[in-house]
Amino acid sequence: EPEVTQTPSHQVTQMGQEVILRCVPISNHLYFYWYRQILGQKVEFLVSFYNNEISEKSEIFDDQFSVERPDGSNFTLKIRSTKLEDSAMYFCASSVSVENTEAFFGQGTRLTVV
Amino acid sequence: QKEVEQDPGPLSVPEGAIVSLNCTYSNSAFQYFMWYRQYSRKGPELLMYTYSSGNKEDGRFTAQVDKSSKYISLFIRDSQPSDSATYLCAMSLGGIYNFNKFYFGSGTKLNVKP
Repeated sequence: EPEVTQTPSHQVTQMGQEVILRCVPISNHLYFYWYRQILGQKVEFLVSFYNNEISEKSEIFDDQFSVERPDGSNFTLKIRSTKLEDSAMYFCASSVSVENTEAFFGQGTRLTVV
Repeated sequence: QKEVEQDPGPLSVPEGAIVSLNCTYSNSAFQYFMWYRQYSRKGPELLMYTYSSGNKEDGRFTAQVDKSSKYISLFIRDSQPSDSATYLCAMSLGGIYNFNKFYFGSGTKLNVKP
């Protein structure tokens, strides 16, 4: 069964460092998303991406964040200068179309900022 | 912002019981309603997805949406220990301009005892 894969599963970084979280969406999907879940809190929308541009972003997704689809298979989330409060599980998701709200999530990357 | 409310539980039931999980919401514009299952340290897994009001059944799972009451439910019949997980409700406005921006509940932790 096709699935969304994310790497690494766990990333530890020092405050102020840049991190890149990587995702391989399901191959025939066209819409891509990043969500995050701070420990003990709700899953929160960060950004959606279609046709090589951001479709929508939340207030969390400030200038420290960026997304990119560098090739035909990968979708990345970059945090330029990490803060302690960026520590969370980051989930990538993809869906085949915008009319189809069946979004499939990856297993997540646990980011720990120390 | 309390768009979607969900009792965090934990909810503990004996094997074979009928489980009822619920969410309430405040935004009457939500059109799509999803239930995700999340095992510990894994990504959310889509269980059911319904559009607007009504019921939808899939095996042991039944999703109900009551838009007039802003209330959604997931029923699990003949619950199994393997159903033990956190259940997340999620909602979206739908439509081409909302690109699957989901609003999640906080999740209900379910424990099915053998």
